[in-house]
Amino acid sequence: AQSVTQLGSHVSVSEGALVLLRCNYSSSVPPYLFWYVQYPNQGLQLLLKYTSAATLVKGINGFEAEFKKSETSFHLTKPSAHMSDAAEYFCAVSDLSGGYNKLIFGAGTRLAVHP
Amino acid sequence: EAGVTQFPSHSVIEKGQTVTLRCDPISGHDNLYWYRRVMGKEIKFLLHFVKESKQDESGMPNNRFLAERTGGTYSTLKVQPAELEDSGVYFCASSQEIGGFGETQYFGPGTRLLVL
Repeated sequence: AQSVTQLGSHVSVSEGALVLLRCNYSSSVPPYLFWYVQYPNQGLQLLLKYTSAATLVKGINGFEAEFKKSETSFHLTKPSAHMSDAAEYFCAVSDLSGGYNKLIFGAGTRLAVHP
Repeated sequence: EAGVTQFPSHSVIEKGQTVTLRCDPISGHDNLYWYRRVMGKEIKFLLHFVKESKQDESGMPNNRFLAERTGGTYSTLKVQPAELEDSGVYFCASSQEIGGFGETQYFGPGTRLLVL
């Protein structure tokens, strides 16, 4: 069965600093992986996804993630944090059992950006 | 194109009452999913519709929860009677392709349910 672990429920960075949000997955088959973001009082928005094409995936708002099979990781990065990046971030994997695409989420990481 | 909409945005009810949540998916999306996030926990899958049919309801907590999708369009999720542990945020998501592995699910803003 697939699962997702996000290391660090809270991450705090300075504006302009590197953002690194960690995600490790467990899957017995090649996974489909997603990063979603939830801004305050809004729904989940897709940042990027990995679907077995390029291992380095670029998303919206300057975020990217690298799929590393040997490390079973899909960490999210952004070179320079903006105040507007403050939000909660969720890593997810597709549970393909049964032939459909339900998502299994990690517990989320809340990112704070301070001046 | 309108996104996924959910109603109400917030609901506060007393234990034992009934609440009905509504989700309107993106037009033309055959797949409709319900998820729930209990405070401090992961977002968890509840069930999946393909058009009007329940494809997978393995995540439904118990028989106090009833989901329907009328005519393959909007969906409702009824909780009757509500218990304290039902409090949380209920998300709806939709996607277009049936059997589309890795397909993006588009989420609504969620309904925040508080049971007192």
